[in-house]
Amino acid sequence: DTAVSQTPKYLVTQMGNDKSIKCEQNLGHDTMYWYKQDSKKFLKIMFSYNNKELIINETVPNRFSPKSPDKAHLNLHINSLELGDSAVYFCASSQGGAGSPLHFGNGTRLTVT
Amino acid sequence: GNSVTQMEGPVTLSEEAFLTINCTYTATGYPSLFWYVQYPGEGLQLLLKATKADDKGSNKGFEATYRKETTSFHLEKGSVQVSDSAVYFCALAQTGNQFYFGTGTSLTVIP
Repeated sequence: DTAVSQTPKYLVTQMGNDKSIKCEQNLGHDTMYWYKQDSKKFLKIMFSYNNKELIINETVPNRFSPKSPDKAHLNLHINSLELGDSAVYFCASSQGGAGSPLHFGNGTRLTVT
Repeated sequence: GNSVTQMEGPVTLSEEAFLTINCTYTATGYPSLFWYVQYPGEGLQLLLKATKADDKGSNKGFEATYRKETTSFHLEKGSVQVSDSAVYFCALAQTGNQFYFGTGTSLTVIP
């Protein structure tokens, strides 16, 4: 069973479109995250939710909006896509507390043309 | 503040060579430390972790020791294999669920 699953795996779209990425975890974790990985493999935290409440909201354009319908799901909606949004987006989850690791999904490769 | 610095790559080694990837950190308080590995086309996987000073994390032949006096958590493996080719990330976590990642070190092992 996949612990953290995200869909789609690949997303190719044109500038100006709106798209969503979905994430689900079956680990029973309380906290979920969205990370962006650029072409140089640098990881940047975007958002974090704990029990459906937003707890980390880094400086990202407000075209990015996370939604957590329940603690097992965290979706990412992106409006008015730009070329610079092309990256790999990773969902992750954690139980929280000292020493609890992150569990990552396999990523969604977004290409904006 | 909190940050992680790891050695720049890429690193290329011959099979059975000794591997060290350096990682140092800056943190307030007493963070937990992690190494993650990312194989091509996949997400990051936890490789090992340590939660307090002098702890040694180990997994699949890899080891790292939490050194508070030098604020380091260097990754080592005695004999690398081609299958170890991947990108390795050092990370720290503080309470409050915030993780801080290094920039990643790409390792290529050649037969």
